[in-house]
Amino acid sequence: GAVVSQHPSWVICKSGTSVKIECRSLDFQATTMFWYRQFPKQSLMLMATSNEGSKATYEQGVEKDKFLINHASLTLSTLTVTSAHPEDSSFYICSARERMVPAGYGYTFGSGTRLTVV
Amino acid sequence: GQQLNQSPQSMFIQEGEDVSMNCTSSSIFNTWLWYKQDPGEGPVLLIALYKAGELTSNGRLTAQFGITRKDSFLNISASIPSDVGIYFCAGLNSGGYQKVTFGIGTKLQVIP
Repeated sequence: GAVVSQHPSWVICKSGTSVKIECRSLDFQATTMFWYRQFPKQSLMLMATSNEGSKATYEQGVEKDKFLINHASLTLSTLTVTSAHPEDSSFYICSARERMVPAGYGYTFGSGTRLTVV
Repeated sequence: GQQLNQSPQSMFIQEGEDVSMNCTSSSIFNTWLWYKQDPGEGPVLLIALYKAGELTSNGRLTAQFGITRKDSFLNISASIPSDVGIYFCAGLNSGGYQKVTFGIGTKLQVIP
């Protein structure tokens, strides 16, 4: 089945530094990738949608200059949290939409990245 | 934006019991999805529903797409300890980037 690899699985960084999270579709081409943020005991909240070769579309309230998304190929998207602050600490999850697969079954999620900013 | 209300938010059940959880939306969805999330992991798709009234099973799991297209339920029969986790309903509409909107989740705990 479709596999999405997300790396790193956890990261601790100092306040003010930047952190890059990678999301790769290992055995399929992803037309679209999605980035979610999940705070403890809460649901997944969509942050942005990215298509290969074009600018990401951000959800309302998500700062595009703080959360930089690059979708350089059909198998790789990266999320960079710039100038991280403790309130950015969260669980970040990516999802890749597989081409030519019926909606619903075509969405595969990564295993998430636990970001802790100290 | 679209909101999904999921209930109950948490439940404790005895191993072997059946479980039911449901989800309602303020607006219509074309596809309903049910996911399970284990701690520290991403969600995994359990069942996808594409037509109003559709009833679909996956092993001990059964889910239905409400006729109004604004609701769905998930049943788990004969629960086992590995059913523990958080279950999310999610809605998907056609058009645009086809964003998945998640419910708030139901935390299930099974007592052996």
